[in-house]
Amino acid sequence: EPEVTQTPSHQVTQMGQEVILRCVPISNHLYFYWYRQILGQKVEFLVSFYNNEISEKSEIFDDQFSVERPDGSNFTLKIRSTKLEDSAMYFCASSNYRTGGNYPGELFFGEGSRLTVL
Amino acid sequence: KNQVEQSPQSLIILEGKNCTLQCNYTVSPFSNLRWYKQDTGRGPVSLTIMTFSENTKSNGRYTATLDADTKQSSLHITASQLSDSASYICVVSANTGGFKTIFGAGTRLFVKA
Repeated sequence: EPEVTQTPSHQVTQMGQEVILRCVPISNHLYFYWYRQILGQKVEFLVSFYNNEISEKSEIFDDQFSVERPDGSNFTLKIRSTKLEDSAMYFCASSNYRTGGNYPGELFFGEGSRLTVL
Repeated sequence: KNQVEQSPQSLIILEGKNCTLQCNYTVSPFSNLRWYKQDTGRGPVSLTIMTFSENTKSNGRYTATLDADTKQSSLHITASQLSDSASYICVVSANTGGFKTIFGAGTRLFVKA
C-alpha cells in the first residue's frame, strides 16, 4: 500500500538553527500539506502546496517557514531559525484531490518528524 | 469562527463493549467531515469521510454519522478491541475552494481487558 514517508523521525536542534524536514508523498498525488502537533495539543494546519506553489497557509506559517518541492518527489519544510516553541511533531500529508470542495480527496499522513528545540 | 469540538475528552471502556464519540462543528460552508484514528506518536489514519449528502458511513467496526442540519457527527465503535486504544480525531473542511482542514482536539479512548 502506498504511503507517505518522512525523515528524520526525530531531530534535536539548538535554538536559532535551521532545520529541514523531508517528506516523500504518495507518487500520484498532487496536493501536499504540512501540519504541526505540539505535544498534547490538536493537529494544526500549516500550509498546502499545489502545482509548485503554496495554495494556502495558516497564521502559524510565518516568514521563518518555507516549503519546497525540489525534485518532483520530495517535499520539504524548512524552519530558518528555530525557536523553543517550534518543538512539535510535524506531519506531512498528501492527497489526489483537494481536501475541500464537492469531491474531497483522501488525506494520507506520514508518521511524523518530531522536532525538539533546545 | 470555524471550530470543531469533540466529546468526551477521554473515555475508558471494557474490551468488547461499544462506545460513541461526538463531534460538533461550526465550520461553514461545510464540505466534508472526516474521522481519524491516531495512535500515540504516530500519524493520523483515516477511518471515514462524509460529504454533505451522506449521513452514515461504515468502515468495519467503525460507523460514522453526520447530521448537517445540527452540525453534529458521531463515531460508533462496535465490539471494542484493545487495539482500538487511541485518539479519535474529527476533522472538518470548509467548501471555500481552499485546503484548510480544522481539527478537533480528539477523544482519547482507552480499552481495558
